[in-house]
Amino acid sequence: DGGITQSPKYLFRKEGQNVTLSCEQNLNHDAMYWYRQDPGQGLRLIYYSQIVNDFQKGDIAEGYSVSREKKESFPLTVTSAQKNPTAFYLCASSIGVGAASTDTQYFGPGTRLTVL
Amino acid sequence: AQSVAQPEDQVNVAEGNPLTVKCTYSVSGNPYLFWYVQYPNRGLQFLLKYITGDNLVKGSYGFEAEFNKSQTSFHLKKPSALVSDSALYFCAVRDRIGGTYKYIFGTGTRLKVLA
Repeated sequence: DGGITQSPKYLFRKEGQNVTLSCEQNLNHDAMYWYRQDPGQGLRLIYYSQIVNDFQKGDIAEGYSVSREKKESFPLTVTSAQKNPTAFYLCASSIGVGAASTDTQYFGPGTRLTVL
Repeated sequence: AQSVAQPEDQVNVAEGNPLTVKCTYSVSGNPYLFWYVQYPNRGLQFLLKYITGDNLVKGSYGFEAEFNKSQTSFHLKKPSALVSDSALYFCAVRDRIGGTYKYIFGTGTRLKVLA
């Protein structure tokens, strides 16, 4: 899982609550990503950030929010607007997303979120 | 539309036999292709990637993958499977969509190596 940490490993949420998942990297990577993994659906991109103070919506951003105030940190908030948040959440980072970059994404260990 | 397909949900192979996990892709331009492995309740681990050059790419843990442009495939292979290779394998492609680059993942193939 390299230099990317995610916390907590397991998270339980009650209906109507917002929760925040932490992602920190010490790889000095510019780009960071959040994915959601559901059985049989592979990985779906929620949000990504190419540089500090900038981020873009991915394919399933509704009900989620992010911030990128520091290069090493990219927290994800799952809001009460997300109707089906139970899933495995993966954070990843890569050197950058420039045209000349052929870089690899490196993943954290994941957070399993369960709605009670 | 850009896509990655892993046609098999599960592949079973006997220990010591060669294994193949299939992946086909559809992207515009030159593809950058990746294979990752995931063990239960863990993040994805990078195995190998194809950018350019030799069509046969060697990666971690004895895995290799063959890029075939005419068949738009990037199958993962290993000459002799181990029980410890049992895991979920993802193929991914990096593609330019709009003004940015994104990684598109297949749905995953579960490899089961039988002792």
